Amino acid sequence: QQQVKQSPQSLIVQKGGISIINCAYENTAFDYFPWYQQFPGKGPALLIAIRPDVSEKKEGRFTISFNKSAKQFSLHIMDSQPGDSATYFCAATKRKGKLIFGQGTTLQVKP
Amino acid sequence: DVKVTQSSRYLVKRTGEKVFLECVQDMDHENMFWYRQDPGLGLRLIYFSYDVKMKEKGDIPEGYSVSREKKERFSLILESASTNQTSMYLCASSLLQGRDNTEAFFGQGTRLTVV
Repeated sequence: QQQVKQSPQSLIVQKGGISIINCAYENTAFDYFPWYQQFPGKGPALLIAIRPDVSEKKEGRFTISFNKSAKQFSLHIMDSQPGDSATYFCAATKRKGKLIFGQGTTLQVKP
Repeated sequence: DVKVTQSSRYLVKRTGEKVFLECVQDMDHENMFWYRQDPGLGLRLIYFSYDVKMKEKGDIPEGYSVSREKKERFSLILESASTNQTSMYLCASSLLQGRDNTEAFFGQGTRLTVV
């Protein structure tokens, strides 16, 4: 069973647009929600993360919105750039830091 | 500079072979992970270790085992390789949860092909 569900699987956005990727989880024991970014040929790298006592976190053009009651969280990329083209994974962790990932979203930003 | 090193970038093995994938981290992290990455399925956790000799099954442990005899090294073992284990394998490490920074650091991955 997929503990963290991510959508869409792929996304095409024009340069300057907003990219939105959504994730949902079932297990209320999760207490840390990171997003990872992966470029071709590389391992994923941490982009931004949030804990459930906060509803929003912003770092530059990247924002996580968190809805604890709905058990959903999303990544917003403002002013999307071609260099943002990558695969994005949402994730969740629980006790001891066991890290569970979503299915991934391939983002293409067109110039 | 933090580093997670996987022993091979590419491997080709025959069906039925016993395969060892090695991972070493130099950050003194308690946690280590093995994932496999397949298109449309994301990163699926195979095994997780939070301490030397300690391990927990992930979502897809069947056909795999792990070994963690030293803190810095985590090995994934395919007991009898099968073609459905052809995949990209990623190792990662992180500090034990509860500290401020729980960022996971990944290796470059091992592309395993079983023929």
